[in-house]
Amino acid sequence: NAGVTQTPKFQVLKTGQSMTLQCAQDMNHEYMSWYRQDPGMGLRLIHYSVGAGITDQGEVPNGYNVSRSTTEDFPLRLLSAAPSQTSVYFCASSITGTSSYEQYFGPGTRLTVT
Amino acid sequence: AQSVSQHNHHVILSEAASLELGCNYSYGGTVNLFWYVQYPGQHLQLLLKYFSGDPLVKGIKGFEAEFIKSKFSFNLRKPSVQWSDTAEYFCAVRFGNTDKLIFGTGTRLQVFP
Repeated sequence: NAGVTQTPKFQVLKTGQSMTLQCAQDMNHEYMSWYRQDPGMGLRLIHYSVGAGITDQGEVPNGYNVSRSTTEDFPLRLLSAAPSQTSVYFCASSITGTSSYEQYFGPGTRLTVT
Repeated sequence: AQSVSQHNHHVILSEAASLELGCNYSYGGTVNLFWYVQYPGQHLQLLLKYFSGDPLVKGIKGFEAEFIKSKFSFNLRKPSVQWSDTAEYFCAVRFGNTDKLIFGTGTRLQVFP
C-alpha cells in the first residue's frame, strides 16, 4: 500500500491564482480530511469527508473548496490564492468506527503564495 | 467551544531527563484522545491513543499517557528521553460522536546529548 499520497510537494502561486492540491489513499478509508499547519498554531482542520459524496467544514474552511467523488480521492481547491494561505497542507485518512479514528497522514504540500 | 490546549510550546531537555507534556481539553462528554509526533521533515505519526478502559496507555518508543477525566487532561510522559525524540508533539481530541479531530498547537521538544 502507498498509504496517503499528496501532490505536489511544493508549489508557489501568485495572489489570485487557483490550484488544486491532490490527495489519494489506497486503504479504502471512509474518512478523509485536510489540515493546514502554521507555526505556533498547530494543525487546523479545513474540510473533511466521511465518505464519497459527503463533505463538511472544519475550523478554517474559508477560501477552500473540496469534493469527494470517489473513496480514494479528496482534492482541495484554492479558487483565488491569498498570502494568508501560505502554509503546509496535510491530507489524512482513517477508518471510522468506535475503536479507530487513527489518522494516517500524507507527506504534505508546502504552498507559498506571493 | 471545544478546544485543545498544549501549554508547553517549546521544551528543551538533556538526554536521560524525564518528559511530561501537558494536554487539556474543554468538553464534558465522551472524548477519544491521541498523541501524534512529527519528526523533522516528516509527516505526523500516531504515538498512542485512548478510547476507553485503563486510563494509562502505552505507546510506541517508550511513551505513555494518562487520561485524567476530572482534570480534562491527557499528559504525555517518557521516563528517559533520547536525542532521537527531538520532534514536535501534538495532542488531538475527538469530541463526542463528531467526525472531527481537533489538534492542539503542538509542543516542540529539543533533546541535547
